[in-house]
Amino acid sequence: KQEVTQIPAALSVPEGENLVLNCSFTDSAIYNLQWFRQDPGKGLTSLLLIQSSQREQTSGRLNASLDKSSGRSTLYIAASQPGDSATYLCAVRRNTDKLIFGTGTRLQVFP
Amino acid sequence: KAGVTQTPRYLIKTRGQQVTLSCSPISGHRSVSWYQQTPGQGLQFLFEYFSETQRNKGNFPGRFSGRQFSNSRSEMNVSTLELGDSALYLCASSYQTGDTQYFGPGTRLTVL
Repeated sequence: KQEVTQIPAALSVPEGENLVLNCSFTDSAIYNLQWFRQDPGKGLTSLLLIQSSQREQTSGRLNASLDKSSGRSTLYIAASQPGDSATYLCAVRRNTDKLIFGTGTRLQVFP
Repeated sequence: KAGVTQTPRYLIKTRGQQVTLSCSPISGHRSVSWYQQTPGQGLQFLFEYFSETQRNKGNFPGRFSGRQFSNSRSEMNVSTLELGDSALYLCASSYQTGDTQYFGPGTRLTVL
């Protein structure tokens, strides 16, 4: 059974810092991995999707990497801003199966 | 393109009632998935529909059901509501299974 863990559960950093969010999964036979952000009481916004054959994806200040063999993905946020404050979720999919979500990392970036 | 829309946004029901939630996917998307989000259990997959057929189903009781129409719009129904059904229900659409999923704003259901 696939389990997805995110560490840390919460993170508070000053504006301008570079930071790394971690996602671990127990079954390396994944089809793809997706990172989302969720603002309080809102839906999810897709940030990046990495296919199993890829090692990383980049979008603006965000870079996500994938190491299937070790069951890990990281989301790197460069030059963090207060607007980055949200909960970040990773989710893995096996073939055409359902998305399995991690528990999330709550990020606060203070001015 | 318009995003995923969900109606209603907020709903208050009492135990024993039933409820129907609606989701309109992004135009051209044929896959619609439903999720339940609670503080204790996080995000849990309910079911996925593709071209009017249920493709995947999560571990929820039979009180939770859904369907998809020919225009890809989807509804989910919860019968005999329980207090524990209080949650944010999220719908997501994608062009096909396995593609990037785009989420709607959710329906906040409160069961009293």
